[in-house]
Amino acid sequence: GDSVTQMEGPVTLSEEAFLTINCTYTATGYPSLFWYVQYPGEGLQLLLKATKADDKGSNKGFEATYRKETTSFHLEKGSVQVSDSAVYFCALRNTDKLIFGTGTRLQVFP
Amino acid sequence: GAVVSQHPSWVICKSGTSVKIECRSLDFQATTMFWYRQFPKQSLMLMATSNEGSKATYEQGVEKDKFLINHASLTLSTLTVTSAHPEDSSFYICSASSTLGNSPLHFGNGTRLTVT
Repeated sequence: GDSVTQMEGPVTLSEEAFLTINCTYTATGYPSLFWYVQYPGEGLQLLLKATKADDKGSNKGFEATYRKETTSFHLEKGSVQVSDSAVYFCALRNTDKLIFGTGTRLQVFP
Repeated sequence: GAVVSQHPSWVICKSGTSVKIECRSLDFQATTMFWYRQFPKQSLMLMATSNEGSKATYEQGVEKDKFLINHASLTLSTLTVTSAHPEDSSFYICSASSTLGNSPLHFGNGTRLTVT
């Protein structure tokens, strides 16, 4: 079945460092891909999305490109801030269900 | 737009009692709502999918008699944890979609359930 694999955390960075969180997927057909962010004690917020191959989703300085050839959707940000500390979930939606990766905790220190 | 409201945000109940959690789509009609459960520092586990006016579809291993889901209207779904036990303590999150297919889901802020 469909699945999402993302790198284990925690990822610990200093402020203004470059961030990459890897995400790969397995799916039949043409899924849409998403990154969600969860701040402590809160629900999930959609961070960005891409609906077809080569699409680039971007928001708040974060970017991810839908790479069908490598079945990847890696999340990147050029300069992280302390306020970016959260758990990031890669997800795909192929029919109705939204399938999540295990989440990657990002900790940014000043 | 696309706001999902979940209530309550936290609840403490005694073992053996039942707890109802509401999930509302405030500015759109949710044809489908999903209920997830999240254990500490883990990912979200899909419990069930509910469509307005029909029975919920439960994921394998989820007890449908314990986790009652009702989707009575296009803006409201409820999850009732019946005869709660301490092992039911968890973070429950609902999400909603106005369309089928591959559009993003919108999530509520979650409900922290603690059963004593």
